[in-house]
Amino acid sequence: QLELQESGPGLVRPSETLSLSCTVSSDSISGTTYYWAWIRQPPGQGLEWIGSVYYSGSTYYTPSLRSRVTMSIDTSKRQFSLKLTSVTAADTAVYYCAREAHDTADYHFDFWGQGALVTVSS
Amino acid sequence: DIQMTQSPPSLSASVGDRVTISCRASQSIGTYLNWYQVKSGEAPKVLIYGASNLPSGVPSRFSGGGSLIEFTLTINSLQPEDVATYYCHQSSVSPYTFGQGTKVEIK
Repeated sequence: QLELQESGPGLVRPSETLSLSCTVSSDSISGTTYYWAWIRQPPGQGLEWIGSVYYSGSTYYTPSLRSRVTMSIDTSKRQFSLKLTSVTAADTAVYYCAREAHDTADYHFDFWGQGALVTVSS
Repeated sequence: DIQMTQSPPSLSASVGDRVTISCRASQSIGTYLNWYQVKSGEAPKVLIYGASNLPSGVPSRFSGGGSLIEFTLTINSLQPEDVATYYCHQSSVSPYTFGQGTKVEIK
C-alpha cells in the first residue's frame, strides 16, 4: 500500500513563501505512468488542484496559481515539493499530496497523503 | 475551466438506505469523472474512476454511472462508516476541477 506524507511549516507569514514536501514510500515515484500532484482545501471549501509534476521534472499547473507556484521532484529522495510565493490569508488550507495515475486513460488520484494544514497569518 | 456542480450539498439517510449523489459538468467530459471520499483527518480515498470503475478494495456497495455531462455516485445500503464528504473530479481537461462536495450523514 503506497503511503504519502506531507511535511513543512504549519504557519507562514503573509507575503512569504509556503514550502511543502511530500515523501513517497515506494520507487513508483520514478514510474513513467504516474504524475505527482498537490491539491488543497481551504477551510469550509472544496478541493482545488494546484498542479502536478512528472518524474522527469516536467510540470503543469492550474492557471490561477501558475505565476506563484513551483513544483519539483527528487526521485533519489522519493520526494516532491511545492513552493507557493507571496502568500495571503486566502492560501490558508489543508494541502494534500497525491499520486496521479496515468496507467489507464482515466487519470485519477489513486493515493493521497493525510494532508497538512498551513495557516497564513502574521 | 470546466465547472463541476454537485447535488445535493448535503443529505441525511438511514443505515441501509440507497443514496445517490449527482454531478454535472459544464461541458462534455466523456467518462473522465472520478469520485473521492474525504473524512476529516484522513487521507482522501478514490471510490470510482473513469465514471464507473471500482478500484480494488472499495466496497461493492459503491457504484458510479453516467457520461458526457451527467454522472452519479450511488451507495447501496448506506453504512455508518460512509459518513464523509464526497467529491466528483473531472480529469478530461486541465485544469482539473472538483465539485463542491456532498456531505453524507446518518439519520
